[in-house]
Amino acid sequence: GEDVEQSLFLSVREGDSSVINCTYTDSSSTYLYWYKQEPGAGLQLLTYIFSNMDMKQDQRLTVLLNKKDKHLSLRIADTQTGDSAIYFCAEWHDSSASKIIFGSGTRLSIRP
Amino acid sequence: DVKVTQSSRYLVKRTGEKVFLECVQDMDHENMFWYRQDPGLGLRLIYFSYDVKMKEKGDIPEGYSVSREKKERFSLILESASTNQTSMYLCASSSRDRRYYGYTFGSGTRLTVV
Repeated sequence: GEDVEQSLFLSVREGDSSVINCTYTDSSSTYLYWYKQEPGAGLQLLTYIFSNMDMKQDQRLTVLLNKKDKHLSLRIADTQTGDSAIYFCAEWHDSSASKIIFGSGTRLSIRP
Repeated sequence: DVKVTQSSRYLVKRTGEKVFLECVQDMDHENMFWYRQDPGLGLRLIYFSYDVKMKEKGDIPEGYSVSREKKERFSLILESASTNQTSMYLCASSSRDRRYYGYTFGSGTRLTVV
């Protein structure tokens, strides 16, 4: 199958770390992505990781890739109210006409 | 600043009308895509195109058609709009060679069919 799965909701306290998890299916995926969608807007690429990497860090964002378990996570340190959004996990699917397969998105809400 | 531009942010159309949603990109991307987004259903691919005058059906093509006469423009057509086509429509483009950039999305068109 081509499913990319992620939980639908996550609620965290402002200042805490958020961890959004994702599982994918194609072991031959070369690139995996995290997109952010703010209310009423399109999707914005946050970061990507190449499949030969285990970790990628970019300021408050840390991406971890476990190829054995086909598990991808996005950690947002010191979560702020501006991080409220839907986060989509996605994989480049070489076996599917070379297009990106998206998860259903995780809605991150921040509580004071 | 590179862009994917969708011609309308909000549209209201009547049932049975022919509706055109336009998308233009200025990045010389080969690939273009149309998605619809509904609560709880994520992104669903309607049609995509890998080159001028080429089109491929996505997961939910029924009730839609597309046109790509120029590389930069990809149009989505609802031949006879119905209320179940009320949705957020997202256009995206990508480079054939630079996969690490993923897709670049437009801001979306929220279509309401009454």
